[in-house]
Amino acid sequence: SQQGEEDPQALSIQEGENATMNCSYKTSINNLQWYRQNSGRGLVHLILIRSNEREKHSGRLRVTLDTSKKSSSLLITASRAADTASYFCATDAAGGFKTIFGAGTRLFVKA
Amino acid sequence: NAGVTQTPKFRVLKTGQSMTLLCAQDMNHEYMYWYRQDPGMGLRLIHYSVGEGTTAKGEVPDGYNVSRLKKQNFLLGLESAAPSQTSVYFCASSETGGSTGELFFGEGSRLTVL
Repeated sequence: SQQGEEDPQALSIQEGENATMNCSYKTSINNLQWYRQNSGRGLVHLILIRSNEREKHSGRLRVTLDTSKKSSSLLITASRAADTASYFCATDAAGGFKTIFGAGTRLFVKA
Repeated sequence: NAGVTQTPKFRVLKTGQSMTLLCAQDMNHEYMYWYRQDPGMGLRLIHYSVGEGTTAKGEVPDGYNVSRLKKQNFLLGLESAAPSQTSVYFCASSETGGSTGELFFGEGSRLTVL
């Protein structure tokens, strides 16, 4: 079974709006990462948040982590058509070497 | 700067045939991973390696074998391909294990088993 589960599965918004994607996981973690995948391409790392951090920013990206609820959210502000992609959260089981991905959220930004 | 390179990019096999996917990374990373991606399933970990000469099972290892004879290469083998192995396969590498470090991905290898 997958460690991370994203919600929603798909999201369609207008350019300029904010997009929020959520990730829930099952076991305790050391870190949580978010990746982006353009259609037909490999995944690209966006941001890493450690288990002792609650919020992290990178450009138009804002990630939050709530370890008590075993959940994280990725907010993309002022979205652009170029943000259209699938977004995945990735976690490890604490102390493990494996990185486990969720099923992803497909984001479509309409120009 | 090549990063992670996968070959071949596309392959069509008949049921029962064998093949090997090659992953090469030029970043001197210790950790390497093979994932498969199916519609609606996200990425599932097949096998991984924590260093040259080591391999370990992931979430869905059955029907696959791997080898890491050289640090820069991680091979994924299918001994007897089945239609259920039709998928897009991604290789990734990282400097550190688990989710402590960024994973660098190849562009994927699309495999169809008829």
